[in-house]
Amino acid sequence: NAGVTQTPKFQVLKTGQSMTLQCAQDMNHNSMYWYRQDPGMGLRLIYYSASEGTTDKGEVPNGYNVSRLNKREFSLRLESAAPSQTSVYFCASSREMLAGGYNEQFFGPGTRLTVL
Amino acid sequence: AQSVTQLGSHVSVSEGALVLLRCNYSSSVPPYLFWYVQYPNQGLQLLLKYTSAATLVKGINGFEAEFKKSETSFHLTKPSAHMSDAAEYFCAVSNTGNQFYFGTGTSLTVIP
Repeated sequence: NAGVTQTPKFQVLKTGQSMTLQCAQDMNHNSMYWYRQDPGMGLRLIYYSASEGTTDKGEVPNGYNVSRLNKREFSLRLESAAPSQTSVYFCASSREMLAGGYNEQFFGPGTRLTVL
Repeated sequence: AQSVTQLGSHVSVSEGALVLLRCNYSSSVPPYLFWYVQYPNQGLQLLLKYTSAATLVKGINGFEAEFKKSETSFHLTKPSAHMSDAAEYFCAVSNTGNQFYFGTGTSLTVIP
């Protein structure tokens, strides 16, 4: 049981290049999330997928696209990278919330992206 | 809209001293509250969570937090700091289950 895995762990891009960050979970969770973490700003939600086949924008979606490939996998794509997208990116997953319940999130180890 | 405020971006304590990390939230409905810990170059790990079952919540590694509705607070405490507690701590709030709102984090330094 690996939990949430992310690839790659590190990446350096030049401005204008594109790349896809991969995320997979083996906990049979319905919901998946992409966050970015910047110094002094905590974690900010980029996109999330409440269930397979659905995606929704979070707080900072501009410059990103996502694909929920199947229940296990949720990818984040940067079509034309900019220096402002230099950050640490975290993928997370959680069970579907039931009425009156809660939704603990499980995090991957992160991808450290630098855009030059 | 929900928000979380963590007072103090950096906290230093001596080994063996009390750890107190502050978190205040704003929510229009009773929230679910969480504390996460992040060790260097790692992802976030859940320390504890409040889900309305009890106001005093015990978590891993000797941490606990108390939900105080009147103060809209959910402060994290540990009676005696250990060197291994040095990390970044995040408070988070959710009331829908599908979106979390994280605080900006508090970096804890433990002085030997």
